[in-house]
Amino acid sequence: DGGITQSPKYLFRKEGQNVTLSCEQNLNHDAMYWYRQDPGQGLRLIYYSQIVNDFQKGDIAEGYSVSREKKESFPLTVTSAQKNPTAFYLCASSSGTGRRETQYFGPGTRLLVL
Amino acid sequence: DQQVKQNSPSLSVQEGRISILNCDYTNSMFDYFLWYKKYPAEGPTFLISISSIKDKNEDGRFTVFLNKSAKHLSLHIVPSQPGDSAVYFCAASFSSTLTFGKGTMLLVSP
Repeated sequence: DGGITQSPKYLFRKEGQNVTLSCEQNLNHDAMYWYRQDPGQGLRLIYYSQIVNDFQKGDIAEGYSVSREKKESFPLTVTSAQKNPTAFYLCASSSGTGRRETQYFGPGTRLLVL
Repeated sequence: DQQVKQNSPSLSVQEGRISILNCDYTNSMFDYFLWYKKYPAEGPTFLISISSIKDKNEDGRFTVFLNKSAKHLSLHIVPSQPGDSAVYFCAASFSSTLTFGKGTMLLVSP
């Protein structure tokens, strides 16, 4: 089955710790995205990548980092510089990088701070 | 500054009736619009989309209407079913990224 997988489903972070959220897709999609959702809020774009070894900042990139070494994988690191990391994190992908591409989402990772 | 607005946080509808979810946008550059459905603790699921060259798109029980002059779009669900109860997000695009509204929670009661 083709799709997007995110792991883990729940992640706990201690103060001052960096944590990495995994996102893998087997849809052969070129573009991948990371969003953050807070209660009562829409999805806000953190980073996106249109091609391997290239990525761009979204609206709320501060305190986050990404890499795109493989087409299938787009891990997100929440660094200690992110002061309010508790949120639901969603990864998405789209087949192309044009203006009218539908994005498909993974199941999400909930990050909690201990 | 919110470029995509869903002004109704929630909507309650009886089973079998029509659900109408609304979305307004401010950026006239947007030319592609999508609706997603989301259950708690899950990722959004794509429902239906419309490009700015159209004013209506249908897919089964779901129809999206676009009024470019009013910068307004709406999602109609007919007939509504209890399984439609979820949060619905409107999203808009003019580049390779999407801008989302805050969502409307739809509750369909039997």
